[in-house]
Amino acid sequence: DAGVIQSPRHEVTEMGQEVTLRCKPISGHNSLFWYRQTMMRGLELLIYFNNNVPIDDSGMPEDRFSAKMPNASFSTLKIQPSEPRDSAVYFCASKGQGARNSPLHFGNGTRLTVT
Amino acid sequence: GESVGLHLPTLSVQEGDNSIINCAYSNSASDYFIWYKQESGKGPQFIIDIRSNMDKRQGQRVTVLLNKTVKHLSLQIAATQPGDSAVYFCAENIRGSQGNLIFGKGTKLSVKP
Repeated sequence: DAGVIQSPRHEVTEMGQEVTLRCKPISGHNSLFWYRQTMMRGLELLIYFNNNVPIDDSGMPEDRFSAKMPNASFSTLKIQPSEPRDSAVYFCASKGQGARNSPLHFGNGTRLTVT
Repeated sequence: GESVGLHLPTLSVQEGDNSIINCAYSNSASDYFIWYKQESGKGPQFIIDIRSNMDKRQGQRVTVLLNKTVKHLSLQIAATQPGDSAVYFCAENIRGSQGNLIFGKGTKLSVKP
């Protein structure tokens, strides 16, 4: 089991640039979650998908943030334009089908630094 | 490594001692709880979970206790080892939601050899 795979592991970009973070969930999982982690706010849910459909995006900070899940094995989180306050570690997680009460499996995150 | 611990509560224990990490949750409608361990530079890793119809659940060297009356969750680690050093998060799932978890702020566990 390869686990949840995220890329890149680190991203350094300048303010105003577009950033795209990528995630491959565990094969067979039908729910996918994007979280952001900062020292000040901890782990915050940004958006999640069930069966590739966005269910709740109320955690997305602004219109600069967008997420897509074109198929069951791939999702992207895009920030355009990026700002220094977007600097954080972004995690993707997935969950298996059928059980609402089951744990999320996290990737190792993308550390984003916006200068 | 990941610097999530700068403002976190810290628990320092001696190797071989037992550790108890506490968590208060806020929503009485939460019906599922999970403990995660996060090591530097890695994502949260599942340790143990418990449903609200239980008070206690045991795993290998870990025990989770749930007190719904005071909305309190604890994680007990027996015979703590240096490899247990990490940040520990509790997470809750609110009944009626679709499985997204709400995380606590975390506790940093430091094990002294």
